[in-house]
Amino acid sequence: AQSVTQPDIHITVSEGASLELRCNYSYGATPYLFWYVQSPGQGLQLLLKYFSGDTLVQGIKGFEAEFKRSQSSFNLRKPSVHWSDAAEYFCAVGVSGGSYIPTFGRGTSLIVHP
Amino acid sequence: DAGVTQSPTHLIKTRGQQVTLRCSPKSGHDTVSWYQQALGQGPQFIFQYYEEEERQRGNFPDRFSGHQFPNYSSELNVNALLLGDSALYLCASSLGPKGAAEAFFGQGTRLTVV
Repeated sequence: AQSVTQPDIHITVSEGASLELRCNYSYGATPYLFWYVQSPGQGLQLLLKYFSGDTLVQGIKGFEAEFKRSQSSFNLRKPSVHWSDAAEYFCAVGVSGGSYIPTFGRGTSLIVHP
Repeated sequence: DAGVTQSPTHLIKTRGQQVTLRCSPKSGHDTVSWYQQALGQGPQFIFQYYEEEERQRGNFPDRFSGHQFPNYSSELNVNALLLGDSALYLCASSLGPKGAAEAFFGQGTRLTVV
């Protein structure tokens, strides 16, 4: 079965600084990979997804993620963080040709200092 | 477009009681998936409904059941509530089961069992 590890429970950055949130997955074949964001009291919103092709994926709100097969990673990046980016971020993996139900990591809480 | 709507927003129940949560999918979507998100955790898949049938199920006991209506809306029922059922319950809708990983999420129902 597939699984996702988000090693950082909390990340604190200053507004305007760059951001990288880590995600490692476990799955034997090429997975589908996703990043979601959850603002306080809100549901999840899909930031970006990787199915195949270009390993650098652009998403909404200025986020991007890079799929690295050799490292089983799909880290999320943003060059300059805004205070409104403070939220919970979830990495998820789906099985290609399988159930299409994403398996979520436990999330990383992003704190942005002014 | 109202997106995915869930009701109620918050709910407090007593151990042993039964609860029903409701979800209206995004316009044009025909598939509804339910997730349980415990505090500090990522969402965990409960089950998915498509064409008024349960299509897939996660690792949840039979106390968790559901229904989908002809208008694609859905209910999640939980019987014999336990304290451990306290969580945010998320509904996600998609166009077809294969769209589950790119589903639109509702804001959730916060269930507290006392």
